[in-house]
Amino acid sequence: QQPVQSPQAVILREGEDAVINCSSSKALYSVHWYRQKHGEAPVFLMILLKGGEQKGHDKISASFNEKKQQSSLYLTASQLSYSGTYFCGTDVKAAGNKLTFGGGTRVLVKP
Amino acid sequence: DVKVTQSSRYLVKRTGEKVFLECVQDMDHENMFWYRQDPGLGLRLIYFSYDVKMKEKGDIPEGYSVSREKKERFSLILESASTNQTSMYLCASGTPGDEQYFGPGTRLTVT
Repeated sequence: QQPVQSPQAVILREGEDAVINCSSSKALYSVHWYRQKHGEAPVFLMILLKGGEQKGHDKISASFNEKKQQSSLYLTASQLSYSGTYFCGTDVKAAGNKLTFGGGTRVLVKP
Repeated sequence: DVKVTQSSRYLVKRTGEKVFLECVQDMDHENMFWYRQDPGLGLRLIYFSYDVKMKEKGDIPEGYSVSREKKERFSLILESASTNQTSMYLCASGTPGDEQYFGPGTRLTVT
């Protein structure tokens, strides 16, 4: 079952903040975040692991609530380059092979 | 830089044809993946491979098969293409539990 992302779309002005949520019905080991710009391949942003470890992008922050099986990605002081579709991918195993991705959140940052 | 390449950016095939989509990675990654991407549905895993000649079904394997004869190459096969397989196909590679690197995608149209 795919994780549920919300909102489905958001429009921001440059400098504004936004939060993207990713919720799963399964117990998770990790949550991965990717961004895909129009016509391009998805690009890795960060991984959040059970237990609090994170690896990835140093200008984007995220959290992982293990009890709620929910992750949030925070777009702070958004820039035009933040536009794109954001996907969360969830993994139920440690060092697992299989990610299940959400439906995506489209973000448009306007000048 | 990690490179994941896919054999075609655009492909048009007729219903009933056998279709091969090829993916090559240059980072000696154990894992390789095939996803299809449809609007609103995000990235859905078709098959993945964790070693040469090893494969596992993803979430939507019906109508597809895969082949991994060499570590760097992972092929997706549509035995008899149907119109509902019209989609964007993305290949990815990575190490277990770590980020995935995506190829540019193949937009397949089945008429």
